Amino acid sequence: DAGVIQSPRHEVTEMGQEVTLRCKPISGHNSLFWYRQTMMRGLELLIYFNNNVPIDDSGMPEDRFSAKMPNASFSTLKIQPSEPRDSAVYFCASSFDRESSYNEQFFGPGTRLTVL
Amino acid sequence: KQEVTQIPAALSVPEGENLVLNCSFTDSAIYNLQWFRQDPGKGLTSLLLIQSSQREQTSGRLNASLDKSSGRSTLYIAASQPGDSATYLCAVVSNDYKLSFGAGTTVTVRA
Repeated sequence: DAGVIQSPRHEVTEMGQEVTLRCKPISGHNSLFWYRQTMMRGLELLIYFNNNVPIDDSGMPEDRFSAKMPNASFSTLKIQPSEPRDSAVYFCASSFDRESSYNEQFFGPGTRLTVL
Repeated sequence: KQEVTQIPAALSVPEGENLVLNCSFTDSAIYNLQWFRQDPGKGLTSLLLIQSSQREQTSGRLNASLDKSSGRSTLYIAASQPGDSATYLCAVVSNDYKLSFGAGTTVTVRA
């Protein structure tokens, strides 16, 4: 298995532009998580899906952030409009069964976002 | 809200010495606990997962213990090598299935 795939790996954009981050979870996994990592705040959970349905989006910082999972093999995290304080590394992770006590999460390589 | 703390924040040891990394959490009602490794500029690699009913888990030179009642976990790395230099993150899955991370311990193993 190729693991969790994220694209792009790096994104540099200007303030006010729309940014779309993409994630393909491991085949067969039914839970998908979006995280953000910064030096100041560490790793934070933004939102997670179970069976393509958003379960908890309480970590999404503002209405400028939105996430979708149209099918079991694809998810997007969109920021519109982007701001310099959104600069961070965004990780996607997936797990087989969130309700199993052995629901190990596997992380993608991350997207490093820089908003100028 | 689950709070996860890792001490120390950084650790430097000579090659061959055993490493002891500590993790504590505030809410003992957890589903499981996972240890990750992160190399600079890279993603997270899962090292060990301990289910809430387990006391420890081993993989090669790595051993992780869990004391749920006291809210603590320890990761032991035996006979450290320069390749073990990385940041080690502890993460707890609470009963709402959400993963809460500690800030990590950055380890440097000197050759």
